[in-house]
Amino acid sequence: GAGVSQSPSNKVTEKGKDVELRCDPISGHTALYWYRQRLGQGLEFLIYFQGNSAPDKSGLPSDRFSAERTGESVSTLTIQRTQQEDSAVYLCASSLILIGATWDEQFFGPGTRLTVL
Amino acid sequence: RKEVEQDPGPFNVPEGATVAFNCTYSNSASQSFFWYRQDCRKEPKLLMSVYSSGNEDGRFTAQLNRASQYISLLIRDSKLSDSATYLCVGGAAGNKLTFGGGTRVLVKP
Repeated sequence: GAGVSQSPSNKVTEKGKDVELRCDPISGHTALYWYRQRLGQGLEFLIYFQGNSAPDKSGLPSDRFSAERTGESVSTLTIQRTQQEDSAVYLCASSLILIGATWDEQFFGPGTRLTVL
Repeated sequence: RKEVEQDPGPFNVPEGATVAFNCTYSNSASQSFFWYRQDCRKEPKLLMSVYSSGNEDGRFTAQLNRASQYISLLIRDSKLSDSATYLCVGGAAGNKLTFGGGTRVLVKP
């Protein structure tokens, strides 16, 4: 079956422009995560959606970053007025809660490589 | 204190040797644990789940120590292809899964 997909795979933009990144999770996965990974660094949590609950936005680095999710489907991450330090790979992952309220694994998309000139 | 912590390494391992490293977690209610592998410029991929009774998959063994709140990964007979960053992740029911910063392993001939 289809995995997590992300688009675009690469995005080059100029400083100050807005960008929108898209994530299509695995169908039926209630949880969706966005991460940022700078070159040579670890995963940096950005935001987490779970079902109809209010999203956990605790990882968003500034108010230039926002994300939305429509129901349990596609999510978009928007970065306004991009800065050079926003250059990174943005990864999306989806997951499912199993019986007993334990988590199944996170499945990652291939990421969007953002370069801000 | 970070919720999930790992020694960043790198662990330099001779080919054929055994290497083991841990990941500590701070939330005692955590019950779901996984080890992921991430190759350079690739997305993380699941290596194995970590069960209360431990888990073994070929040359890889994962253990959970609830009393001391850590999980471990042991790699036997290391191959050059095992060179990667290993990420642990844990979470409690109702809470998001949280990744550690990763442990870099370099297997050398």
